[in-house]
Amino acid sequence: DVQLVESGGGLVQPGRSLTLSCAAFGFSFDNYAMYWVRQAPGKGLEWVSGINWNSGGIDYADSVKGRFTISRDNGKKSLYLQMNNLRPEDTALYYCTKAGTHYSYSSYMDVWGKGTTVIVSS
Amino acid sequence: EIVLTQSPDTLSLSPGERATLSCRASQSVTSRYLAWYQQKPGQAPRLLIYGASSRATGIPDRFSGTDFTLTISRLEPEDFAVYYCQQYGGPPLTFGGGTKVEIK
Repeated sequence: DVQLVESGGGLVQPGRSLTLSCAAFGFSFDNYAMYWVRQAPGKGLEWVSGINWNSGGIDYADSVKGRFTISRDNGKKSLYLQMNNLRPEDTALYYCTKAGTHYSYSSYMDVWGKGTTVIVSS
Repeated sequence: EIVLTQSPDTLSLSPGERATLSCRASQSVTSRYLAWYQQKPGQAPRLLIYGASSRATGIPDRFSGTDFTLTISRLEPEDFAVYYCQQYGGPPLTFGGGTKVEIK
């Protein structure tokens, strides 16, 4: 089965760091761009960051630029999001998602993980 | 950044009725790069439509998309949920604010 499993969320104080991970199963991970999408409590979806299949293209939402770093390890079929200088407004459920088209950097998202929760609070 | 505005915010309908959801873009974006998702409480979003009109795997044909509109021809009880549009014409990728389809 095609599956994405996120981990690494938790409660963290403002200004601290956290790294999210996403393990991919059941598809050729190195053929697809991957994304992080977040959803604050009771709110809509917000694209956070994307990385293309070979890490040659990376983008961030303005709200996280300079604080978050996306990366991937194709050998381990894993996606990461390093989050520094966390703010209360980063509190959200973070989803790992897969691009729907081979090698395309900008895409729809055809597979979603269940998400991992990040709470930023003192 | 392309801002997507969905309307209405909430749609109150009965099972069996037709639902029409709209998504408007702040800048020119071809509908070819528009997707729709369904999200039920406590669940991750699920892809319904991509390329404006192509149904994702396993999506019933009561769901259809044309240009910037999602139509559910006859609402089933399991269709009451929140629906999001997303554009992927280029980074940053953006989502609309969502339309909640609720039981009247």
